Amino acid sequence: GQNIDQPTEMTATEGAIVQINCTYQTSGFNGLFWYQQHAGEAPTFLSYNVLDGLEEKGRFSSFLSRSKGYSYLLLKELQMKDSASYLCAVLASNYQLIWGAGTKLIIKP
Amino acid sequence: GAVVSQHPSWVICKSGTSVKIECRSLDFQATTMFWYRQFPKQSLMLMATSNEGSKATYEQGVEKDKFLINHASLTLSTLTVTSAHPEDSSFYICSAHLSEPYEQYFGPGTRLTVT
Repeated sequence: GQNIDQPTEMTATEGAIVQINCTYQTSGFNGLFWYQQHAGEAPTFLSYNVLDGLEEKGRFSSFLSRSKGYSYLLLKELQMKDSASYLCAVLASNYQLIWGAGTKLIIKP
Repeated sequence: GAVVSQHPSWVICKSGTSVKIECRSLDFQATTMFWYRQFPKQSLMLMATSNEGSKATYEQGVEKDKFLINHASLTLSTLTVTSAHPEDSSFYICSAHLSEPYEQYFGPGTRLTVT
């Protein structure tokens, strides 16, 4: 079957760094997405990785290792507004997005 | 970036009635749109893939006669929840994707409450 695993919840301190991991097993791979979702709102796009390596975009970076079926989202200089759920999603062989359950990130002052 | 709108943002209806939710791509044409449902504290669940000019493709377990999808134009898809029940109360989100880089743009979502 197809599945995506990510931690259910993480807690971090304002100003610190946090890494949210995602492992996947899917039929085919056409890229991995990270989305941010605040409570009661739709997801917003953060990053897309299709090649191995690190993609940096401001305070957020995303890493992919296709051989390991592994990705992480790195958030630096955490701000209170970063408190949200972070969703990992893989674009499978039929170009359908397979979603993880999301990681709820709690930022403490 | 691409913009997707949804209407209404929230709706309350009585059990047994039908509700229509619209999803529009405002500044691009979308041959394919996706409909998701999200229950509290759960991830997105794909309900169906809406294809312009053809029948929607429903995911396993989703009743196509209950959740009617119409994709009449390249910028509009509608989801009609027929004979709504309280268990249909959920957050319904649509999305559309561009060919490159296969990025999906989400609408703001519609919160449906069935009383």
